[in-house]
Amino acid sequence: KQEVTQIPAALSVPEGENLVLNCSFTDSAIYNLQWFRQDPGKGLTSLLLIQSSQREQTSGRLNASLDKSSGRSTLYIAASQPGDSATYLCAVFSSNTGKLIFGQGTTLQVKP
Amino acid sequence: NAGVTQTPKFRVLKTGQSMTLLCAQDMNHEYMYWYRQDPGMGLRLIHYSVGEGTTAKGEVPDGYNVSRLKKQNFLLGLESAAPSQTSVYFCASSYSKTSGNPYEQYFGPGTRLTVT
Repeated sequence: KQEVTQIPAALSVPEGENLVLNCSFTDSAIYNLQWFRQDPGKGLTSLLLIQSSQREQTSGRLNASLDKSSGRSTLYIAASQPGDSATYLCAVFSSNTGKLIFGQGTTLQVKP
Repeated sequence: NAGVTQTPKFRVLKTGQSMTLLCAQDMNHEYMYWYRQDPGMGLRLIHYSVGEGTTAKGEVPDGYNVSRLKKQNFLLGLESAAPSQTSVYFCASSYSKTSGNPYEQYFGPGTRLTVT
């Protein structure tokens, strides 16, 4: 059974720091991995999607990497800003189940 | 494009009442999904549909029914609401045959349901 774990559960950093959020999954049979952002009381916004054949994707200050063999992904946020404060969710699309499996999320607070 | 929309945004029900949540998408997506999000449990799949007229059970289907009579709409029904169904419900869609990644999901803003 595919399980997705995100560490840490919460993170607080001063503005301007570079930071890394971690995601691990137990079954390497995935089609892709998707990183989402969720603001309090809001829906999920897709940030980056990495295909299983790719190693990384970049969008602005965000860079996501994927190591399928070790079952790990990281989301790197450069020069963090208070507006980056949100919960970040990692999800893998499992080849075996055909479903998107979510981690519990990392809640990020960037202090001015 | 409005993307994925959900109605209503908020609802309070009494135990035993019924209601229907509506999800609509304007991206011509084939697949649609209903999730619930609970503290400490993450997002869990309730039901999904891979095309008009078809539905399938997800991880937590009990107490819910769905229908996909039109491609753009996916309805989630609660026949007899229970306090355990207090949650935030999200609809998502994916896969256009003409464009995009078939497995990239787009989410609606959510419906916050409280059952007393």
